[in-house]
Amino acid sequence: EDQVTQSPEALRLQEGESSSLNCSYTVSGLRGLFWYRQDPGKGPEFLFTLYSAGEEKEKERLKATLTKKESFLHITAPKPEDSATYLCAVIGNQGGKLIFGQGTELSVKP
Amino acid sequence: EADIYQTPRYLVIGTGKKITLECSQTMGHDKMYWYQQDPGMELHLIHYSYGVNSTEKGDLSSESTVSRIRTEHFPLTLESARPSHTSQYLCASSKPGVHEQFFGPGTRLTVL
Repeated sequence: EDQVTQSPEALRLQEGESSSLNCSYTVSGLRGLFWYRQDPGKGPEFLFTLYSAGEEKEKERLKATLTKKESFLHITAPKPEDSATYLCAVIGNQGGKLIFGQGTELSVKP
Repeated sequence: EADIYQTPRYLVIGTGKKITLECSQTMGHDKMYWYQQDPGMELHLIHYSYGVNSTEKGDLSSESTVSRIRTEHFPLTLESARPSHTSQYLCASSKPGVHEQFFGPGTRLTVL
């Protein structure tokens, strides 16, 4: 069964304190891994798609990496406006539907 | 501007009422989806559509129904709302050949 587990559930950082969020997955034939940002009371906002191990994508202070078992979302020198819940999702060969993790709630204090 | 819209954003109703949650997209996407999300929990797919007159149930059992008469419109209906239906409902869409889904702002439903 396809599954996504994100850790930690919550992360509190000081402004400028770099860290990483983890997304571990099991899927039959990975067709894509997706990172989203979700602000309270809003829909998820698409950030990145990764397709194969070794691939990396960057956007401002965020960098996503992918291995055969997990993905990391690295946040460099975060700012308070980076505070949000970050969601990871995968799609595999079976079913063709996104499977979401429960998210990591990131809080960045000034 | 190409976007995906949901109305209403917030809805508080009594038990037994019939409701329809609206979702429209102006991006020309053929695939559309409905998810249910409880606070602090993962998104669960409840319905999806790959085109006009095509609808399927998702992984999470739901008492809601959907229709897809027009490409841009994918409404969700609850015939008789119950407190267990209280949740956030998110609509999403994606274009042919890609898996990235783009989400609307969501509808927060509370059934008293």
